[in-house]
Amino acid sequence: DGGITQSPKYLFRKEGQNVTLSCEQNLNHDAMYWYRQDPGQGLRLIYYSQIVNDFQKGDIAEGYSVSREKKESFPLTVTSAQKNPTAFYLCASRRDQFWAFFGQGTRLTVV
Amino acid sequence: KQEVTQIPAALSVPEGENLVLNCSFTDSAIYNLQWFRQDPGKGLTSLLLIQSSQREQTSGRLNASLDKSSGRSTLYIAASQPGDSATYLCAVPTGNQFYFGTGTSLTVIP
Repeated sequence: DGGITQSPKYLFRKEGQNVTLSCEQNLNHDAMYWYRQDPGQGLRLIYYSQIVNDFQKGDIAEGYSVSREKKESFPLTVTSAQKNPTAFYLCASRRDQFWAFFGQGTRLTVV
Repeated sequence: KQEVTQIPAALSVPEGENLVLNCSFTDSAIYNLQWFRQDPGKGLTSLLLIQSSQREQTSGRLNASLDKSSGRSTLYIAASQPGDSATYLCAVPTGNQFYFGTGTSLTVIP
């Protein structure tokens, strides 16, 4: 089935650790996005990528990094510089001006 | 920057009622608007997409309208059911980005 797969579903990070969230899509979409969702708040854009080997910062990019080496994959690394990383992270993809599709999310908790 | 607002933030209705969720946006230079549903702890599920050239889009008991000139969209849910309980978000692609409202949390009481 076509879709977007995020893994893992739950992730725990110790203080000072970098962790990487996976996002893979088989929809042949060019654009991919990472959002952060906090309780009671809307989705905030972290990074997005329109094509392979190119990506742009969103509104809250500090403390995060991404790569786009393949069209299908857009991993997000939460670095130790992100002081408040506990949140729900959502990945999305879109082709041109059509439907956006979302993964099921990764819940990251700092322990 | 596009600002998207959804009213009300929360809504509780008895089963069977028809209801309307509102979405407003500040930049009318959009080419479509998308409505999503989010269940607790889950990702977003696409419900309806309205192109800027359309005024309405229907899917089952859902009907979405778009008025670009006034910067508004509404999602109408007919004959609500407990299974409709979720958070509903509207999203507006502007430029290369999607801008989301904060959502309306809907509870349908059996």
